[in-house]
Amino acid sequence: GQNIDQPTEMTATEGAIVQINCTYQTSGFNGLFWYQQHAGEAPTFLSYNVLDGLEEKGRFSSFLSRSKGYSYLLLKELQMKDSASYLCAVNNFNKFYFGSGTKLNVKP
Amino acid sequence: DGGITQSPKYLFRKEGQNVTLSCEQNLNHDAMYWYRQDPGQGLRLIYYSQIVNDFQKGDIAEGYSVSREKKESFPLTVTSAQKNPTAFYLCASIPKGGRAGGQWNEQFFGPGTRLTVL
Repeated sequence: GQNIDQPTEMTATEGAIVQINCTYQTSGFNGLFWYQQHAGEAPTFLSYNVLDGLEEKGRFSSFLSRSKGYSYLLLKELQMKDSASYLCAVNNFNKFYFGSGTKLNVKP
Repeated sequence: DGGITQSPKYLFRKEGQNVTLSCEQNLNHDAMYWYRQDPGQGLRLIYYSQIVNDFQKGDIAEGYSVSREKKESFPLTVTSAQKNPTAFYLCASIPKGGRAGGQWNEQFFGPGTRLTVL
């Protein structure tokens, strides 16, 4: 079976840094994606990791350790508009397996 | 502008009725996917199609059916056999082949259809 775990909910303060973790156990691995999803809307792509290490894209960074089955999404300089759910998804060849998502609440 | 369209955004049906959700893309993507999302849960794969006239069951295909007669269209029918059809349905597509080095492209999602069965 496929198992992807994320914390259900997190709260952080505007301007701060927050790290959202994702652990996975899947039968295959071709990469890990992070998506942002605002309530009632479609997910939008944030980042992709297929090799170990850190990928940086502006205020967002994502890290992957394949040996540990672990990834995190780092959001810097938090803004109110970052309040959303963040989905971790593992690509296993033709299929994508999603975690339940982490709801991030950014407070002033 | 290229993109994925799903219609309608909100759909209401009576229990026991079949209903078809549309998904159209003009991105020239080969692979298309249908997901279901329930409150507090992640996306669960219903069906996917890599090429025209071919599709595979995902993890929760029971009570659903699809067709892929055209590259740009991948409609999903929610049948009366689906025990709990009320959910948010998302369609996604991805171009064939990946990035350089065998990496995969990200999925592009449509805006979703919220189906409520009364």
